[in-house]
Amino acid sequence: ILNVEQSPQSLHVQEGDSTNFTCSFPSSNFYALHWYRWETAKSPEALFVMTLNGDEKKKGRISATLNTKEGYSYLYIKGSQPEDSATYLCAWISSNTGKLIFGQGTTLQVKP
Amino acid sequence: ETGVTQSPTHLIKTRGQQVTLRCSSQSGHNTVSWYQQALGQGPQFIFQYYREEENGRGNFPPRFSGLQFPNYSSELNVNALELDDSALYLCASSYHRGEQFFGPGTRLTVL
Repeated sequence: ILNVEQSPQSLHVQEGDSTNFTCSFPSSNFYALHWYRWETAKSPEALFVMTLNGDEKKKGRISATLNTKEGYSYLYIKGSQPEDSATYLCAWISSNTGKLIFGQGTTLQVKP
Repeated sequence: ETGVTQSPTHLIKTRGQQVTLRCSSQSGHNTVSWYQQALGQGPQFIFQYYREEENGRGNFPPRFSGLQFPNYSSELNVNALELDDSALYLCASSYHRGEQFFGPGTRLTVL
C-alpha cells in the first residue's frame, strides 16, 4: 500500500503567525511531489511541483522543501493571513505509475 | 482560471441509479484524470485517460467507467449507485504527465 500522509489534519492560527505542515510519502520510485491549495468552493490550485532532492521553492510568503531520500516535504507559511485559510494537499507521483496519490490534506484556518 | 469545467455542479441520485459526470479539458491538454473525494479524505485516483484510452486505474470497481472524446473532454459513468458513492468528483486535465489543472468538482449525493 502506497501511503501519503499529511500532518496535522487541521490547524488554527492567529493572523501573523508562521506555520508549517508535513507531507510524508514513499521514498522509493519517486518522480515528483505536488502541493495544492484548495479554497472552499473553488478548484485545487497548484502551488509547487518539486522533483529534485533538496528542492526549495518559494511563492510569496509560502515556501516548500523536499527530501526524497527520507520521504518528506514541508510547506511553510510566513506571517499567515486570513486569505491563507484553505486546505493544503500534497500529492506524490510514483515513477512506476505516473499517477497522483494524494494525502488527506491539512486544513488551515487563520483568525484575524 | 484553469479552463477546466465540470457539469453538473451538484447532483442527487438514489441507490441503484446510474450517473454521468462531464469534464471539459483545458485547451492543449490530452490527458484527463478523475478523482473521488469522500468527506475527510484526500482525493482518490479513479482512472486516467490519455488520447482516448484508459491509462491507469485506481482501486475502484468496474461499475466506474469512463470515456474520453476526440476533443479530449471526458465522462465518468457510475452504474448501480451505492450510498458510499456520495462524494465530490474532481477531474483534472494535463499534457501527459505534466502539471494537472483541476475543475471545481461535481458533488454527488446518493440517497
